[in-house]
Amino acid sequence: AAGVIQSPRHLIKEKRETATLKCYPIPRHDTVYWYQQGPGQDPQFLISFYEKMQSDKGSIPDRFSAQQFSDYHSELNMSSLELGDSALYFCASSPLTGDEQYFGPGTRLTVT
Amino acid sequence: AQKVTQAQTEISVVEKEDVTLDCVYETRDTTYYLFWYKQPPSGELVFLIRRNSFDEQNEISGRYSWNFQKSTSSFNFTITASQVVDSAVYFCALSALRVAGNTGKLIFGQGTTLQVKP
Repeated sequence: AAGVIQSPRHLIKEKRETATLKCYPIPRHDTVYWYQQGPGQDPQFLISFYEKMQSDKGSIPDRFSAQQFSDYHSELNMSSLELGDSALYFCASSPLTGDEQYFGPGTRLTVT
Repeated sequence: AQKVTQAQTEISVVEKEDVTLDCVYETRDTTYYLFWYKQPPSGELVFLIRRNSFDEQNEISGRYSWNFQKSTSSFNFTITASQVVDSAVYFCALSALRVAGNTGKLIFGQGTTLQVKP
């Protein structure tokens, strides 16, 4: 069965650079969620999209933006990177008819 | 507001011991879901179970069992005859049902690190 795909799996950036994380949901899933997990922390909700519209927003810095495209994939754009942005970023997708979230393998971002 | 508390930060057991991971939650929603996820050292989040708030029946799956008690807002997870491969961080999570404007985002507890020694 198809799973959620995230790319890249690992990313190393320097401070003040920009990063783009991509998420490809399971086919026919119309909702995407983004979570950030810092070292030794629990995953924190960042933002979600339903049918290409932002549906909810958590503690996402203004330096971050995200969108969902017509093919339902989503991108998380992170600018002016800071050391504290180093984390594991998870994307999850969900079908409208269900409440279960299917997580991708995560993108590990390291900011040096 | 929604909140999930896992008071046990770290637990260490010897292989074959039983271990229970505690989870207490707070929510104003009348219907909600509770989840357990496993995060091994490799980092991925592995789904273990989802429980509806209106279904308090306990569940057993192999060596895993879950005790949901709405009266005490607890959803505890027991591993019977633990194995070294069970070593991981375990997260309890809560979400509202995706109705009436709720988006179903997950609220995670702080996680419990389980170490099973041979």
